Amino acid sequence: QVQLVESGGGVVQPGRSLRLSCAASGFTFSSYAMHWVRQAAGKGLEWVTIISFDGTNKYYADSVKGRFTISRDNSKNTLFLQMNSLKTEDTALYYCARDPGAYCSSTSCYGNHLDYWGQGTLVTVYS
Amino acid sequence: DIQMTQSPSSLSAFVGDRVTITCRASQSISNYLNWYQQKPGKAPKLLIYAASSLQGGVPSRFSGSGSGTDFTLTISSLQPEDFATYSCQQSYSIPPGLTFGGGTKVEIK
Repeated sequence: QVQLVESGGGVVQPGRSLRLSCAASGFTFSSYAMHWVRQAAGKGLEWVTIISFDGTNKYYADSVKGRFTISRDNSKNTLFLQMNSLKTEDTALYYCARDPGAYCSSTSCYGNHLDYWGQGTLVTVYS
Repeated sequence: DIQMTQSPSSLSAFVGDRVTITCRASQSISNYLNWYQQKPGKAPKLLIYAASSLQGGVPSRFSGSGSGTDFTLTISSLQPEDFATYSCQQSYSIPPGLTFGGGTKVEIK
């Protein structure tokens, strides 16, 4: 069965860095675009970033552009999120999610729906 | 950016009731609209994609409709396990990115 397991969350001070991982199993990881989505406590869902199936195309929410970097290692079935220059407003539960319908090019992605999600890893940024 | 507005933000209903949740986009998004269910402490679960396509394994009492800017999620007969928060999500284009509605919390009456 499809499984996504996030790790790497923790408590950090503003300005510091953190790297999240998402281990995938139960499907052909290299065939799917993947997303990170976050949710602050008691708040709604906020999309963070997407990476195409082959890692060629990546897009980010304006709120994290220039600070976060998404990447993947298809040989290890693992998705990553490198988070630099963390701010208190980045505090949230971070989910990785699979996208079976994405079509991505060098200029855009569309047709996205997120059919499997991990359980999330908590990132807390405070001084 | 495309804004998604859900209504109501919460509702109370009896088991067996028909429940309708609406989602409005700030611009036309064709049928690029998905619905998710989220229970406390759990990850979101995809219910409906492309406005009206039922995700595999989701009970047929869930249905979605709409196109353009106005969309609806309907639960035909509310079951005890359906008490949760429901969120819409537009997938019209990245960039700028996916956006979610604020959520509708469905509670027991």
